[in-house]
Amino acid sequence: EDQVTQSPEALRLQEGESSSLNCSYTVSGLRGLFWYRQDPGKGPEFLFTLYSAGEEKEKERLKATLTKKESFLHITAPKPEDSATYLCAVLSGNTGKLIFGQGTTLQVKP
Amino acid sequence: GAVVSQHPSWVICKSGTSVKIECRSLDFQATTMFWYRQFPKQSLMLMATSNEGSKATYEQGVEKDKFLINHASLTLSTLTVTSAHPEDSSFYICSATGLAGGAAYNEQFFGPGTRLTVL
Repeated sequence: EDQVTQSPEALRLQEGESSSLNCSYTVSGLRGLFWYRQDPGKGPEFLFTLYSAGEEKEKERLKATLTKKESFLHITAPKPEDSATYLCAVLSGNTGKLIFGQGTTLQVKP
Repeated sequence: GAVVSQHPSWVICKSGTSVKIECRSLDFQATTMFWYRQFPKQSLMLMATSNEGSKATYEQGVEKDKFLINHASLTLSTLTVTSAHPEDSSFYICSATGLAGGAAYNEQFFGPGTRLTVL
């Protein structure tokens, strides 16, 4: 069964305190792993796509990495504006559907 | 690029009435559109998938006669909530994937969402 689990559920950081969010997955025929950012009352905003183990993508303070079983979203020196819920999703080659994790809600305090 | 809009952003209606939500891809051809529902502090739940010009495929447990989906063009899909009841109150989000410049997206791009409140 295709499944995505994100941890931690919530994360509080001080501004400048780097950390990582985890996304563990099991999927039939991975066609891509996606990271999205969602602000309250808004739709998810696309961040990254990763396709194969060892791949890395960066955007400003965010860096996403992928292994055969999990992905990490590293946040370096976060700022309060990085506060949001970060969603991980995998595209199943079996069903063609996007399977979402429950998200990690990040709060960065000044 | 890859911008998806939704209209309206919020709507309040009386129980028993119908509400239509529009989803548009602004700068690419949306060959496939998806409709999701999201409850507070929960992740997105896929309701249905629609391909342009075809009937939508609904997820198990989603009433197709209640949630009417039309995807008549490569830039527009609509979700109509018929005979809405308070339990239909939720945040509805569409997403789209398709073609831009001849290349196919793997990513889904999401609209800003529509907050529906049924009184």
